[in-house]
Amino acid sequence: DVKVTQSSRYLVKRTGEKVFLECVQDMDHENMFWYRQDPGLGLRLIYFSYDVKMKEKGDIPEGYSVSREKKERFSLILESASTNQTSMYLCASSGSGTGVYNEQFFGPGTRLTVL
Amino acid sequence: AQSVTQPDIHITVSEGASLELRCNYSYGATPYLFWYVQSPGQGLQLLLKYFSGDTLVQGIKGFEAEFKRSQSSFNLRKPSVHWSDAAEYFCAVGAYGQNFVFGPGTRLSVLP
Repeated sequence: DVKVTQSSRYLVKRTGEKVFLECVQDMDHENMFWYRQDPGLGLRLIYFSYDVKMKEKGDIPEGYSVSREKKERFSLILESASTNQTSMYLCASSGSGTGVYNEQFFGPGTRLTVL
Repeated sequence: AQSVTQPDIHITVSEGASLELRCNYSYGATPYLFWYVQSPGQGLQLLLKYFSGDTLVQGIKGFEAEFKRSQSSFNLRKPSVHWSDAAEYFCAVGAYGQNFVFGPGTRLSVLP
């Protein structure tokens, strides 16, 4: 089974702190994604990556950056956390071949609270 | 730009009753359609997907969905709901060269 793990289930940070969210997948997937999930808004794509050291902006990249130094690991960085970044963050991965409409496998999520 | 609507924010059904969750999409090209389920405290799990062919798609856990192009819909159904089906359900649309767009979700509660 594909496994996508996220470094923390719950995280509490203060405004202005630099925050790292880590995601690791064990299926040698090329594609990795970061979403945020807010009630009534569903999942919104922040950033995605199709290969090592490659990144693309999603629909809501402002205030975030990412890093993909190894194929299995995709990090989301909040350079200076703000209260409006309090949310659930979900990481996902998928294989290549037919592109973005491959099934995406999700991690359990990190619930981030910024005080 | 593509969009996905799930008209029902919250649905409550009795255990053993049938279920239909609605999903409507707006997209110019041929869509690829998905239903995911999120149990409390969990990530999303794929229930089923439609790329082409037979418009009635069978998924896991006894779920099925029907693609109706004329209505731009991809409704999820289950003939008899179990208490363990209580969760949040997300419809998603993708296409060649495009990222997924997720609907806002429908929360399902099941009464004993």
